[in-house]
Amino acid sequence: GAGVSQTPSNKVTEKGKYVELRCDPISGHTALYWYRQSLGQGPEFLIYFQGTGAADDSGLPNDRFFAVRPEGSVSTLKIQRTERGDSAMYLCASSNLAGGSYNEQFFGPGTRLTVL
Amino acid sequence: AQSVTQPDIHITVSEGASLELRCNYSYGATPYLFWYVQSPGQGLQLLLKYFSGDTLVQGIKGFEAEFKRSQSSFNLRKPSVHWSDAAEYFCAVGNSGAGSYQLTFGKGTKLSVIP
Repeated sequence: GAGVSQTPSNKVTEKGKYVELRCDPISGHTALYWYRQSLGQGPEFLIYFQGTGAADDSGLPNDRFFAVRPEGSVSTLKIQRTERGDSAMYLCASSNLAGGSYNEQFFGPGTRLTVL
Repeated sequence: AQSVTQPDIHITVSEGASLELRCNYSYGATPYLFWYVQSPGQGLQLLLKYFSGDTLVQGIKGFEAEFKRSQSSFNLRKPSVHWSDAAEYFCAVGNSGAGSYQLTFGKGTKLSVIP
């Protein structure tokens, strides 16, 4: 079946602009995660959704970052007033949390964001 | 707060040689531990995971890892490396308590394989 997909694969924007990054999880997966991976670093947690609600947004760096998942499937990560330091690979993952445990997180290929 | 240390940034091995990638974690209770592999242009792929039980865990692609509580380590091993194993490897720890199932990753080890 289809894996996690993310669009666009690459996004170049100018400092101060607004961007949206989209994630399509595996069908039926109730949990969705956003991570950010800077060059030479491991992924860092941003936000976790269980269904439609953000169960943990403790990783969002500041209030310029926001994410939604209105129907419990597709999620959009929104970044306002982008800064050069926001340049990174943004990864989305989904998992089936039946039973509430650490089932495998399946990662998408990521969106590479470049802020000029 | 939980953390993961991967001491080796880059390792080069010859094809057919054995491999060990080091991972040390910091966590107050029994951790959930994972190894992921990331190839260029590909998403992260789970190699193996440890939750409890047998401390030697078998994964895909011939990889295994051993959980050593006394050393706070979860090293990844493979007896004979193939050229296709060249990639970046990430160790991660999960919160075994209730709530968020986020993963905390190390900085990764890049593996190069000499033919």
